[in-house]
Amino acid sequence: KNEVEQSPQNLTAQEGEFITINCSYSVGISALHWLQQHPGGGIVSLFMLSSGKKKHGRLIATINIQEKHSSLHITASHPRDSAVYICAVSTGGGADGLTFGKGTHLIIQP
Amino acid sequence: KAGVTQTPRYLIKTRGQQVTLSCSPISGHRSVSWYQQTPGQGLQFLFEYFSETQRNKGNFPGRFSGRQFSNSRSEMNVSTLELGDSALYLCASSFTGDWAFFGQGTRLTVV
Repeated sequence: KNEVEQSPQNLTAQEGEFITINCSYSVGISALHWLQQHPGGGIVSLFMLSSGKKKHGRLIATINIQEKHSSLHITASHPRDSAVYICAVSTGGGADGLTFGKGTHLIIQP
Repeated sequence: KAGVTQTPRYLIKTRGQQVTLSCSPISGHRSVSWYQQTPGQGLQFLFEYFSETQRNKGNFPGRFSGRQFSNSRSEMNVSTLELGDSALYLCASSFTGDWAFFGQGTRLTVV
């Protein structure tokens, strides 16, 4: 069974700061997902990675397969980035049997 | 393109009752997965359906079941509800082995 660890659990930062959230997993995967969950429950998929690095706007996700580690970075953070960020790993791609981290609760203060 | 639609959004049931939740995937998506989210356990995988067949199942008791119809819409059923079944139930759809699109979830409260 894959164990997914995220750090930090909680993070409060000032607007404009560079944010890093980390995710480690215990066994080999086919893909790693970064998800964003706002109050109210809806989840948005931010990235799906199997290697390297992806960028979308102010968000950057990286993965190191050898070290079984991924990071999500937010540049020029904004209060609207406040949300729970969840790392999830899969062995079959897509939404098949995802194993989730506990999430990182991020608050960006103006 | 319409997103993943879950109905109902909120539900209150009594212990011992059963409940059925519905998920309509994005048009063309054949894979639908279900997840339970609680404050204590976080997000946990329930099961995944692909072309009307259950392809994968998480570690939940047999009270939790699901099915998928020929139009890819999926339902999950929980029988003999327990207080601990109170949770946010999320479904996600994908085409095949790619990006997962999540619905807004159904918040179930068991009293």
